[in-house]
Formats: sequence, C-alpha cells, structure tokens
Amino acid sequence: GESVGLHLPTLSVQEGDNSIINCAYSNSASDYFIWYKQESGKGPQFIIDIRSNMDKRQGQRVTVLLNKTVKHLSLQIAATQPGDSAVYFCAENIPTDKLIFGTGTRLQVFP
Amino acid sequence: KAGVTQTPRYLIKTRGQQVTLSCSPISGHRSVSWYQQTPGQGLQFLFEYFSETQRNKGNFPGRFSGRQFSNSRSEMNVSTLELGDSALYLCASSLRTQTEAFFGQGTRLTVV
Repeated sequence: GESVGLHLPTLSVQEGDNSIINCAYSNSASDYFIWYKQESGKGPQFIIDIRSNMDKRQGQRVTVLLNKTVKHLSLQIAATQPGDSAVYFCAENIPTDKLIFGTGTRLQVFP
Repeated sequence: KAGVTQTPRYLIKTRGQQVTLSCSPISGHRSVSWYQQTPGQGLQFLFEYFSETQRNKGNFPGRFSGRQFSNSRSEMNVSTLELGDSALYLCASSLRTQTEAFFGQGTRLTVV
C-alpha cells in the first residue's frame, strides 16, 4: 500500500492494550477538532470530534481529551485491535474555517 | 448512502501538462474541500468550496485551481505540472463547516 508519511512517529502496542495518541495543535482560537484514521490505500476516515467548549468526549472504544491550556489533544483507544493499525491524524478547525491536519502518528498493533 | 467519489483513482502525466480531477460529494453536502497529501508534507489544505463559491484557499501557487458546480460536484485543475505535484489528492465533503468531513479515496497523481 502507499505510504502516507515516511518519517511519522510510531506507536507500537500489544493487542488488547490501551493506546494513547497525542497531538499538539497550533491555533489557540481553534474551536473544533477531529481525529481521523487512515489505512493504507484509503482516504482518512472520521473517528471522533470534539468542540472547544468540551474537554472530553467518548465514543465506542475511543475517547478524545482536549486541553486548551497547553493546546493538546489526545486520542485514547481501549483494547487496541489489529484492525486499529493505521496512521492517525488530528485536525483543527481554525477561525477561518479551514481544517488543518497534524503530521500523523502511525499505530502498529502486535499480537 | 454513497460516499465521496473521486475520479480517476490513478493518473500519470508528464511535466508541463495539465490535469483535472473530479469529486462527487455525499448527497446533500454543500462543502467540498481539497487536500494534497505527500510523504514529506502530510495533508495540506488546497481550497474549500461552498455553494459554488471558494471560501478558503491554502498556500498553493495559482497553477492550482478549482470550481464547484450547482450540484456540488467539484473539480480541481493543476496546470503546467511539475514533478513535485506528484501526490495523493483528497477531496472531503461536509454539510457545513465544523461538522465531520468525509473523505474520498483520493486520486494518485504521478508526474513524470
């Protein structure tokens, strides 16, 4: 499959463990954030979003935490599975309504 | 419902040529954004269209242009292709801003 980033930070976890992927965003006025998952050969797939008036949001097996004080976003994946292996991107909606993406983190899940 | 459709999936062009890529958004979505994805630069925002109007533009040269039709379908055009334009071009559609954007599978452009 095609590579989406040759020098991405990589997180390796064992199947069943929890994963935490971190992201630092750039604009303190950003008001909406999204996490995307991109598998090889596919476009990014929406995972979960959060608005700036919240600090935590939970989905199915995923939780996003937002710390506006330090401009930090994290994605927690519970009971990581082999199918979770992919590149994960955070994106911030800056005040001009552009969605700006982070550089991505590669998650590798080992049996 | 059908997802975002991008055509063609793969394209090979030579330097100096021009190319047009197409994106059909999810039915009912009026916002269409385009991104360039390369290994070195990641996902870079190109432009966004809403109701046939370009609302936002990224930091790309004028060789990159786009348009949106009344049915929300969008095209992007790159003229005078350079080797560095080789990339995966992704289109995303959404109902409006600050809602989840759905991506197509992209068009892989190779310039030789």
